[in-house]
Amino acid sequence: GESVGLHLPTLSVQEGDNSIINCAYSNSASDYFIWYKQESGKGPQFIIDIRSNMDKRQGQRVTVLLNKTVKHLSLQIAATQPGDSAVYFCAENANAGGTSYGKLTFGQGTILTVHP
Amino acid sequence: KAGVTQTPRYLIKTRGQQVTLSCSPISGHRSVSWYQQTPGQGLQFLFEYFSETQRNKGNFPGRFSGRQFSNSRSEMNVSTLELGDSALYLCASRLAGGPNTEAFFGQGTRLTVV
Repeated sequence: GESVGLHLPTLSVQEGDNSIINCAYSNSASDYFIWYKQESGKGPQFIIDIRSNMDKRQGQRVTVLLNKTVKHLSLQIAATQPGDSAVYFCAENANAGGTSYGKLTFGQGTILTVHP
Repeated sequence: KAGVTQTPRYLIKTRGQQVTLSCSPISGHRSVSWYQQTPGQGLQFLFEYFSETQRNKGNFPGRFSGRQFSNSRSEMNVSTLELGDSALYLCASRLAGGPNTEAFFGQGTRLTVV
C-alpha cells in the first residue's frame, strides 16, 4: 500500500541527562551495526559501530549495546548537550556471501531534542 | 582530509527530464554507495560501486542507474523524472570493499522535481 510518511519516535531530555535511543532490527543475518547522527541539512554523521561478536562498545560519551537474542540495539549518550539534538539512525549490514558490504539498511530514526 | 563531496547541493528539474548527480569519495576510498532519503520512506539503499563495478542494487526501477570511474568518483543518473523522485540523495564512501568498515556520508544533493 502507499506510505503515509514515517512518524519518527521522539525523545526529549534536559541538558546533562543521559539519553537512550533504541532500535529494533529485523535481519538475524546482520553482523555489523552503526549509529548515525543527522542534523538538519546535513548528511548522516558516523557516531559508533559494533560487530555482532560484541555486545557492548564505548566511545566518547556514547555506548552502544547489542542484544542479538532479541535483535535490539541501543545508543546511550552520557551528559547530553544541546548540540546532540538531531535525528539518530541505526543501520545494519548483512554480509550475504561477501557481496553486501556496502549496503546498509537504516531504521526509521529517532528525533532527539535536548533542552538547555 | 576532505570529506565526501556531492554536487550539486540543490537541483530543480521538471517531470520527464533526466538528472546526473556526482559524488567524490574521500581520497583513497574505493567503495561508493548511494541512498535516497525521503520523509515517507526514510533512507533507502540504491546501489554500491566498488572498483568501477556495481556490486549491489536496491529495489529501485531501472530509471535509476550509476557508474564509477577509475578515480573512484561516482555518478548516478535518474531518467524520466517523476514527482516522487524528489528526495535527498546521499552518497557514502568506504575505504575498502570488505566488511565492517565505516561509511562516511556526503551532505547530499536535494533534488526537487516539479
